[in-house]
Amino acid sequence: GAVVSQHPSWVICKSGTSVKIECRSLDFQATTMFWYRQFPKQSLMLMATSNEGSKATYEQGVEKDKFLINHASLTLSTLTVTSAHPEDSSFYICSAPFMGTGNEQYFGPGTRLTVT
Amino acid sequence: KQEVTQIPAALSVPEGENLVLNCSFTDSAIYNLQWFRQDPGKGLTSLLLIQSSQREQTSGRLNASLDKSSGRSTLYIAASQPGDSATYLCAVGGDKLSFGAGTTVTVRA
Repeated sequence: GAVVSQHPSWVICKSGTSVKIECRSLDFQATTMFWYRQFPKQSLMLMATSNEGSKATYEQGVEKDKFLINHASLTLSTLTVTSAHPEDSSFYICSAPFMGTGNEQYFGPGTRLTVT
Repeated sequence: KQEVTQIPAALSVPEGENLVLNCSFTDSAIYNLQWFRQDPGKGLTSLLLIQSSQREQTSGRLNASLDKSSGRSTLYIAASQPGDSATYLCAVGGDKLSFGAGTTVTVRA
């Protein structure tokens, strides 16, 4: 099946710094990827849609200047959390649809971000 | 806006018992419905995908049904095992998925 990886798996940073999270489709190309956020004991909430070669589209209430998304190739999307604050601490997960199985969504293993 | 609800929120059963997990959604104009498994602190593992034209999908001990007219899906897990302990998430949509809050399952040995 299709595999999506994320790096790093966990990161701790100080308040005010920026953190970059990578999402890669390992054995298929993804013109679109999706970024979700999951707070403890809550479900996943879609943050933004990453589009290869064009601007990302953000869900209502998600600050585009704070969560910078770049989709520079057909296998890589990056999410940069700028000027991170403790309230940005969360589990960030990306996904990519695989056309070979009816656009079934494949998810990365997630990145645990802790801002101190 | 699509609202997805999963009942119950938590479930504890003895090993060998069959599991029934429920998912309901408000907008029946869906493209896909997908069931996932999430272990603590981990990402999501796709279990079953039901396309809008389908009524059910089966994989091993897992069977998922879809009734679009009533806005419901049910995931059945036969002969549960301790290794089935996890949170099960239901999600509907096309590319953009709307998730339920999940059902946390504990299978007691």
